[in-house]
Amino acid sequence: GDSVTQMEGPVTLSEEAFLTINCTYTATGYPSLFWYVQYPGEGLQLLLKATKADDKGSNKGFEATYRKETTSFHLEKGSVQVSDSAVYFCALTDQGGSEKLVFGKGTKLTVNP
Amino acid sequence: GAVVSQHPSWVICKSGTSVKIECRSLDFQATTMFWYRQFPKQSLMLMATSNEGSKATYEQGVEKDKFLINHASLTLSTLTVTSAHPEDSSFYICSATTGSQPQHFGDGTRLSIL
Repeated sequence: GDSVTQMEGPVTLSEEAFLTINCTYTATGYPSLFWYVQYPGEGLQLLLKATKADDKGSNKGFEATYRKETTSFHLEKGSVQVSDSAVYFCALTDQGGSEKLVFGKGTKLTVNP
Repeated sequence: GAVVSQHPSWVICKSGTSVKIECRSLDFQATTMFWYRQFPKQSLMLMATSNEGSKATYEQGVEKDKFLINHASLTLSTLTVTSAHPEDSSFYICSATTGSQPQHFGDGTRLSIL
């Protein structure tokens, strides 16, 4: 079945450092790809998405590019802030996000001042 | 943007009682709602998919008689944990979608069974 693998955490960075969280996937067909963020004690918020190969999703300074050739969707941010501390989940679904989401295990990010 | 409200946010109850969790889409009509369970420091596990007016579809290994799901309207789905026991303690999260947009998530319900 479909699956998502993301880098093990936790990740600890200093403010203004560069962030990369790796995500690779296995899927039949052409999935849509997502990054969700979960702040402590809260549900998930959609951070960004991409629905086809070479699409770049971006939001709040975060970016991820849908790479079909490497089946990857790595999350990047050029300069992290303390407020970015959260758990980040990579996910996929095969029909634009309305069908079942398959999540990675999540990567906890802590940004220190 | 689309808002999904989940209530209660935190509930503590005695073993053997039943607990109902509500999931509401506040500004859109949700044709489909999903219920997830999240264990500490782990990912979300899909429990069931709920379509308005029809029976929920449960994932393999999820007891339908234990976790009763009702999706009676386009804005409300409920999850009832029946005869709850300590092993049912977890973080439960719902999401909702119109069918053509990404899922929007509630803030979750932390359930603690004593």
